[in-house]
Amino acid sequence: DTEVTQTPKHLVMGMTNKKSLKCEQHMGHRAMYWYKQKAKKPPELMFVYSYEKLSINESVPSRFSPECPNSSLLNLHLHALQPEDSALYLCASSQKTTPGRALIGKLFFGSGTQLSVL
Amino acid sequence: EDQVTQSPEALRLQEGESSSLNCSYTVSGLRGLFWYRQDPGKGPEFLFTLYSAGEEKEKERLKATLTKKESFLHITAPKPEDSATYLCAVSNAGNNRKLIWGLGTSLAVNP
Repeated sequence: DTEVTQTPKHLVMGMTNKKSLKCEQHMGHRAMYWYKQKAKKPPELMFVYSYEKLSINESVPSRFSPECPNSSLLNLHLHALQPEDSALYLCASSQKTTPGRALIGKLFFGSGTQLSVL
Repeated sequence: EDQVTQSPEALRLQEGESSSLNCSYTVSGLRGLFWYRQDPGKGPEFLFTLYSAGEEKEKERLKATLTKKESFLHITAPKPEDSATYLCAVSNAGNNRKLIWGLGTSLAVNP
């Protein structure tokens, strides 16, 4: 199984809503990522989890809250978002060769959640 | 400043018409160069990793090459299903926290 599964595929939410994005992989990867992608732009890194611990937060606003319940699951909790947060949210995973290093370049991406904030 | 530049921004080919996409980079200590393919509304799909100048990788109609300044993705006899955006990214020795991405080349192959 070389898939990263993301749900939901589409999400429309108001600025006062709370929602969660979910991501699952069963490849045994111990590094998992959240990316944000706007139209005609490359993916932009948000968070990295390594062995279920948050290792990188790219100065993301606190209205985005990541969670890694176990080595296969990754969540992104959303609260009080702004219209400019509308984008494709991508989850990815990669192998780790050692606890301190990740093969950050060979990423397996999910199909993403297309988020619209009204 | 580390930078990745892809050209052309968009390319339209006839089926069977071979061509190349370019990814030029300026990084302090290249750790790896990566090619991805992305279909509309989907996540990027990993294609190749190149680590050192002179290295080449092939997969079906695609061949990636690397020099000290740039990488080429050669597409031989493309088919309509090769239509996608092709993204190039690098990781460097100075910051192995994340990839540095180019803006991509949007390829359309007409039947």
